[in-house]
Amino acid sequence: AQSVTQPDIHITVSEGASLELRCNYSYGATPYLFWYVQSPGQGLQLLLKYFSGDTLVQGIKGFEAEFKRSQSSFNLRKPSVHWSDAAEYFCAVAHSGNTPLVFGKGTRLSVIA
Amino acid sequence: GAVVSQHPSWVICKSGTSVKIECRSLDFQATTMFWYRQFPKQSLMLMATSNEGSKATYEQGVEKDKFLINHASLTLSTLTVTSAHPEDSSFYICSARDRTGITHGYTFGSGTRLTVV
Repeated sequence: AQSVTQPDIHITVSEGASLELRCNYSYGATPYLFWYVQSPGQGLQLLLKYFSGDTLVQGIKGFEAEFKRSQSSFNLRKPSVHWSDAAEYFCAVAHSGNTPLVFGKGTRLSVIA
Repeated sequence: GAVVSQHPSWVICKSGTSVKIECRSLDFQATTMFWYRQFPKQSLMLMATSNEGSKATYEQGVEKDKFLINHASLTLSTLTVTSAHPEDSSFYICSARDRTGITHGYTFGSGTRLTVV
């Protein structure tokens, strides 16, 4: 069965600092990989996704993620964090386009001045 | 981009009553809808998968007679929480996928906060 691990429950960064949120998955083949962001009481917004091709994926709001097959990782990065980035971030995987997403437990990002 | 409309955004109901939550894909045909449940400060747990015109497939531990899912058209799926109890209070989110799952990926509704009193 697929599983997704987000090792960091909560991360605090200073505004303007760089950010990296970790995500590891467990699956035999290359799954479809996603990062979503959720503000309190809101639904999920897709930041970026990886299906195939270039392993460095650009997303919205200045986020990017890199797929590393050897490490089974899909870490999310942003070079300079803004206070509005404070939210919950979820990494998710799917076996294919036909199967439901499996979510990690999420990482809560706090941004301080 | 793809939009999924979910309503109501929040609902308070009395214990023992039923609540219906709607999820609509506005600009694409959602051949598959997924329903998730999210407890405070936790991740999303898949409840069921529904394909248009077919019976929903429920995850282990989810009571199909309590959480009725209908996906009668390519743009609408509903989740009805029957005989709601306080332990059903949660945040429910739907997700819609088009035929390929690639064009639009998985698009989420804005969620419904259910409180059973």
